[in-house]
Order: sequence, then C-alpha cells, then structure tokens
Amino acid sequence: AQSVTQPDIHITVSEGASLELRCNYSYGATPYLFWYVQSPGQGLQLLLKYFSGDTLVQGIKGFEAEFKRSQSSFNLRKPSVHWSDAAEYFCAVVPNFGNEKLTFGTGTRLTIIP
Amino acid sequence: KAGVTQTPRYLIKTRGQQVTLSCSPISGHRSVSWYQQTPGQGLQFLFEYFSETQRNKGNFPGRFSGRQFSNSRSEMNVSTLELGDSALYLCASSLVGVRNTGELFFGEGSRLTVL
Repeated sequence: AQSVTQPDIHITVSEGASLELRCNYSYGATPYLFWYVQSPGQGLQLLLKYFSGDTLVQGIKGFEAEFKRSQSSFNLRKPSVHWSDAAEYFCAVVPNFGNEKLTFGTGTRLTIIP
Repeated sequence: KAGVTQTPRYLIKTRGQQVTLSCSPISGHRSVSWYQQTPGQGLQFLFEYFSETQRNKGNFPGRFSGRQFSNSRSEMNVSTLELGDSALYLCASSLVGVRNTGELFFGEGSRLTVL
C-alpha cells in the first residue's frame, strides 16, 4: 500500500543547531514530494517540492531537502534553526499519475530551546 | 492578492446536526481540495473539485459532501454529525491541481467541535 512515514513524532533542538527531519515513502513509482510547515493555529505553507531533476532541493526559510531514490527518502534539513522554526512539519506525496490526492505523513513537531 | 479564506473559523454543533463550511480560493485558482485534520488521524484528504466537478475523492462516508460553484468557491457539508467529526477542516486551492504547479495554498481552517 502507498504510504508516507515520518518516524519522529517530536524533535527538540537548540537554537542555532542543525536540523534533519526524516520522511520515507512507499509508492510503486517515484511520486512528487513536498514538505509543508504548520504554525500553531495556522494553515499549511509549502517549504519545498521535488518533481524531478536535481536531488537537492532548496526551499524557503533556509530549508533544503534531499531526495534519495535508493532509500525512498526525502529528508528535510536546515543548517541552523531559529526560534521561529518551531512548528509542525509534514512530508507529503502525490503520485505522478492517476489520482491527484496529496497524502500527508503524520507530522513531526519541532521544539526549539534557547 | 488575498489568500484562501475559510468561514466560519470556529463552530460548535451537537450530534445529529449538519454543518456547512465555506472556502473562497485565491482568485484565478480553479482547484479546491478539502482536508480533515485530527490529532489521531492526522491530515486526511476529503475531496477535490475542479471547474465545478469532483475530480478526486478520499475515503470518507457519504455524510461528507461538497460542491464547487462557477466562481470556484467551494462548500463542504457534513450531515448527521458524530463526535468523531470534531476536527480542523482545511481548504486548499491551486491553479489547476497539485501535480501541475506543485503547490497548494491552504486556508487557516474551520475548527468544528461536535458535542
């Protein structure tokens, strides 16, 4: 069955430290991949997306993600987090053909400590 | 330009009632999707409308329905409310679909509480 997995429910990092959020998918063919962020009481905002091409994708707010086909992963990274990065992060996928339903992972809540 | 607008932002209903939620997409966007967000189930896709036609549908019972008007505004309706329908309902719009442009623009959601 098609699925998206975010293994980390909650991550705590210190301000200024590096960050990596994990995402794995299980699909028959490489889907289109996304990372969204949701701040408390807000809707979701797109951080970055991968359709094809260069496997290292740059997004907004200093985030980047690397697509690794061999590992079926699309991990999100940031070299130095800021207190304003505290939020919930969702990995999402949509098949590259057929049903255009966007499927989200369960999310990773990020806490930043001073 | 204005973002995706959802109304009402908060509402409380009792079991058995029905509710209608409204979504105004970004001007020019023709695709509107609806998602249910709960702590237990996360974000789940309800349905997507494009040019007044339901194009994709998730795995929700028939109590959940929607429609889209000629101006792309969309409504979703939940009939015979159950306690488990308490959730944040998110609407998202895109020009023609997520695969084409790669981005959905989300509203802030309508938080429904069923008592």
